[in-house]
Amino acid sequence: AQSVTQLGSHVSVSEGALVLLRCNYSSSVPPYLFWYVQYPNQGLQLLLKYTTGATLVKGINGFEAEFKKSETSFHLTKPSAHMSDAAEYFCAVSGDSNYQLIWGAGTKLIIKP
Amino acid sequence: DAGITQSPRHKVTETGTPVTLRCHQTENHRYMYWYRQDPGHGLRLIHYSYGVKDTDKGEVSDGYSVSRSKTEDFLLTLESATSSQTSVYFCAIRPETGGAEKLFFGSGTQLSVL
Repeated sequence: AQSVTQLGSHVSVSEGALVLLRCNYSSSVPPYLFWYVQYPNQGLQLLLKYTTGATLVKGINGFEAEFKKSETSFHLTKPSAHMSDAAEYFCAVSGDSNYQLIWGAGTKLIIKP
Repeated sequence: DAGITQSPRHKVTETGTPVTLRCHQTENHRYMYWYRQDPGHGLRLIHYSYGVKDTDKGEVSDGYSVSRSKTEDFLLTLESATSSQTSVYFCAIRPETGGAEKLFFGSGTQLSVL
């Protein structure tokens, strides 16, 4: 069965600093991996996804993530944080059917001025 | 969120009362889902539908029922609400072609059971 672990329920960085949000997964089949962002009082929005091919995936708003099979990781990064990046971020892996998602618990990103 | 609307956006109710949440889509997508979101748990699937009158249980379906009599509407009912059902509920839709990456979410319903 698939599972997702996000390290850190809250991550705080200064504006302009590197953002690193960690996600590790377990999967018995080649995974499809996703990062979603949720801004306050809004629904979830797809940030980026890995399905096949290039392991470095670029998403919206300057975010990117790298699929590392050997480490079973899919960490999300952004070189320079902006105040508008403050949100909750969710990592997810596709289930066996590729139609269902298994979700991590989420990481709330806090940006300090 | 264009194409998917959840109602109500906020609801406060008392323990033991029935509650129905509505998800309405204008995309004509085949698949519809109800999730609940709780701190420390991420999203958990309650029920989903793969067509009119075709529904199935998710991982946390106890205490919930669903109905889909029309393509555009997917209703979630709490027959007798409990405080443990206080949560944010999200509806999602997905077209027939494509996998989980095609999910599109509504803005959520904040439900408080007192």
